[in-house]
Amino acid sequence: EPEVTQTPSHQVTQMGQEVILRCVPISNHLYFYWYRQILGQKVEFLVSFYNNEISEKSEIFDDQFSVERPDGSNFTLKIRSTKLEDSAMYFCASSEWRDGYTFGSGTRLTVV
Amino acid sequence: GIQVEQSPPDLILQEGANSTLRCNFSDSVNNLQWFHQNPWGQLINLFYIPSGTKQNGRLSATTVATERYSLLYISSSQTTDSGVYFCAVSPTSGGYQKVTFGIGTKLQVIP
Repeated sequence: EPEVTQTPSHQVTQMGQEVILRCVPISNHLYFYWYRQILGQKVEFLVSFYNNEISEKSEIFDDQFSVERPDGSNFTLKIRSTKLEDSAMYFCASSEWRDGYTFGSGTRLTVV
Repeated sequence: GIQVEQSPPDLILQEGANSTLRCNFSDSVNNLQWFHQNPWGQLINLFYIPSGTKQNGRLSATTVATERYSLLYISSSQTTDSGVYFCAVSPTSGGYQKVTFGIGTKLQVIP
């Protein structure tokens, strides 16, 4: 069964540093997403991406966040200057249209 | 935005028992999924079920879209079923590209 692949599985970074989280969506999917889950809390929507541009974003997705599809397979989330409160599990997902989403296994980001 | 309520918030089961988890949502949806988050934090897709009934082994799910609820049934529970079960939906009208998660049902299956 096709999978969404995320790397790394765990990243530790110092406060103020930039991090890039990487995802390889399912190859024939057209919609890509990032979600995050702070420990013990709900899974929250960050951003959706379609046709090489952001189609929707939440209030969480402020200027320190950016997304990019640098080539035909990767989808990245960049956090420019990490804060302690950015520590969370970040999930990438993809879908063909308004149907089932496939989530990756997540990247646990720890900001120290 | 759409509201998603899950019940119960916590559930402890003896191995072998059956359970029903419920998801209520406040608006019509074109996407409803059930996920299992395992103890390592991974989100495992269980069902894509905006309407109707599906079964996969010991798990089954039913969504009654007209009444805005979905049920997840776990039969003959095993310790590996432990974790958090999330219902996630996207509304038919507006904001359809994002999925809204409920707060989850935390299930613990004890031997």
